[in-house]
Amino acid sequence: EAGVAQSPRYKIIEKRQSVAFWCNPISGHATLYWYQQILGQGPKLLIQFQNNGVVDDSQLPKDRFSAERLKGVDSTLKIQPAKLEDSAVYLCASSETSLTGYFGPGTRLTVL
Amino acid sequence: AQSVTQPDIHITVSEGASLELRCNYSYGATPYLFWYVQSPGQGLQLLLKYFSGDTLVQGIKGFEAEFKRSQSSFNLRKPSVHWSDAAEYFCAVSLKGGSQGNLIFGKGTKLSVKP
Repeated sequence: EAGVAQSPRYKIIEKRQSVAFWCNPISGHATLYWYQQILGQGPKLLIQFQNNGVVDDSQLPKDRFSAERLKGVDSTLKIQPAKLEDSAVYLCASSETSLTGYFGPGTRLTVL
Repeated sequence: AQSVTQPDIHITVSEGASLELRCNYSYGATPYLFWYVQSPGQGLQLLLKYFSGDTLVQGIKGFEAEFKRSQSSFNLRKPSVHWSDAAEYFCAVSLKGGSQGNLIFGKGTKLSVKP
């Protein structure tokens, strides 16, 4: 079974630029999550989708972050404009139910 | 506020030695508890979870964890560490119904293994 795919794996941008990350969940998984993991900390949930609907985006900085999952399958997370403090690893995870999920390898973002 | 504390930032053990990683949580009710492992450049992998029942939980890769309500702890153990266990370990608490989306993670413990 293929795992959760994410691209790109690494991205370096300058502050105020825009960036987008892509996630393809495990086939058939209805629930998809985006987490932000800042160096030295545990992951923090940004947004949770159930199919193509948002379940929880309470910790998403909506002034600069956006996410979509148009057809209930893959998803994109966008940051516009990026700030220095957005440097982090962005993890995507998916699950068949709302329980145990499977994580992708992450995208490491560096904002200069 | 709910929180998860992993008191040890970095632990080094010799290969073959036993391991215990500490985790304490602050939460009003009995939470759902998880341990994840993250190898360099990899995503998080679930080692084990506790929802209810037997307080000693067996996981993958020979790991186990024990839930102690009186101490608000969920420590991870392994009787004999292998070099491949070197990684970062995260304890997590779920706030609602076991949903992974509501996980609160600790800051992690980095494990190094000496040959």
